[in-house]
Amino acid sequence: LAKTTQPISMDSYEGQEVNITCSHNNIATNDYITWYQQFPSQGPRFIIQGYKTKVTNEVASLFIPADRKSSTLSLPRVSLSDTAVYYCLVGDIGSDFGNEKLTFGTGTRLTIIP
Amino acid sequence: EAQVTQNPRYLITVTGKKLTVTCSQNMNHEYMSWYRQDPGLGLRQIYYSMNVEVTDKGDVPEGYKVSRKEKRNFPLILESPSPNQTSLYFCASSPLRGNYGYTFGSGTRLTVV
Repeated sequence: LAKTTQPISMDSYEGQEVNITCSHNNIATNDYITWYQQFPSQGPRFIIQGYKTKVTNEVASLFIPADRKSSTLSLPRVSLSDTAVYYCLVGDIGSDFGNEKLTFGTGTRLTIIP
Repeated sequence: EAQVTQNPRYLITVTGKKLTVTCSQNMNHEYMSWYRQDPGLGLRQIYYSMNVEVTDKGDVPEGYKVSRKEKRNFPLILESPSPNQTSLYFCASSPLRGNYGYTFGSGTRLTVV
């Protein structure tokens, strides 16, 4: 399984765009990249998933360069409610064994400052 | 509403007293998993199940048991709880394949004294 590396913490002001980068140098051909958001004492919540290039939904965008060795979660115009821990996961979700051991790690603690 | 339901939300127990944390999902997901979360250690997988009667160890299975007799239920059993099992526990489920994320329960905060 590909190991991921993320910054431990980040601060940003309200209204700014926030980019959190995740490194996954050993990503395999069939691996997808998934990001989760977790508020204190709540379960992680799925944000976005992608394989290559760019994926956008109503919450965030995910940028994946051609070599797929890193990915960037982009949160547009953050607010105080975006203060949370963000996890980057890499795994093969397309096979019968893809979901078995997705490792969350410690994530990035994002703090939004008023 | 599609959800994963864990019970209880909070539990304080004594060392050695067997307990079960229940987990149920209503999405017909094949895959279910248990995690524990401790400060500074992130989420660590305890056990997972890829379908009924199929379970396997995660990264930290010692001291825990699970069973998957029905698709919707995946209880976590602590036969003889110890203080080092004091933690926040999450159950999660997902389809076995496809680009879907996990759905997590609200968590169970367990304290073993």
